[in-house]
Amino acid sequence: KQEVTQIPAALSVPEGENLVLNCSFTDSAIYNLQWFRQDPGKGLTSLLLIQSSQREQTSGRLNASLDKSSGRSTLYIAASQPGDSATYLCAVRHEGSNSGYALNFGKGTSLLVTP
Amino acid sequence: NAGVTQTPKFQVLKTGQSMTLQCAQDMNHEYMSWYRQDPGMGLRLIHYSVGAGITDQGEVPNGYNVSRSTTEDFPLRLLSAAPSQTSVYFCASNIGPEAFFGQGTRLTVV
Repeated sequence: KQEVTQIPAALSVPEGENLVLNCSFTDSAIYNLQWFRQDPGKGLTSLLLIQSSQREQTSGRLNASLDKSSGRSTLYIAASQPGDSATYLCAVRHEGSNSGYALNFGKGTSLLVTP
Repeated sequence: NAGVTQTPKFQVLKTGQSMTLQCAQDMNHEYMSWYRQDPGMGLRLIHYSVGAGITDQGEVPNGYNVSRSTTEDFPLRLLSAAPSQTSVYFCASNIGPEAFFGQGTRLTVV
């Protein structure tokens, strides 16, 4: 079974810092990896989707990388802002899954950016 | 274009009651799915559908039923609610591999 781990579980940084969130998965046979943002009491917002053939994706201050062979992805947030405070979730679509586009989720990293 | 809409946002049920969580999307997506999110755990797949008339079980299907009579709607039914079903439920739809989620339904079973 595909296991997805996110480190750290929680992170507090002052505004302006660049930061890295980590995601690892046990089985490198994946179709794609998706990063989400979840605000308290809210749904999930898709941030970046990386296909297994890609190395990275960028959107604004966010950059996600994928090293499929080592089972790792990182989400880099540049010049963090208080509005970036949220929980960030990593999810992978496993090649061995027979559930279509079903995702295996990590437990998330809770980020607090202080002014 | 409202995306994925879930209703209700909050619900309290008594043990043994039944109810339906509604999910609708207006993006003409074929693939839809239901997840539950519990403290200290990642989201887990309950049921999914690859198109109207086709549904299948995910990782944690017991106690839940689904149907897909139209492309737009994918309701989740709790047959006889149990305290273990207290959770936040999310519906998602996909355009290809990219998943889009609703705002969630927070369900408490007492």
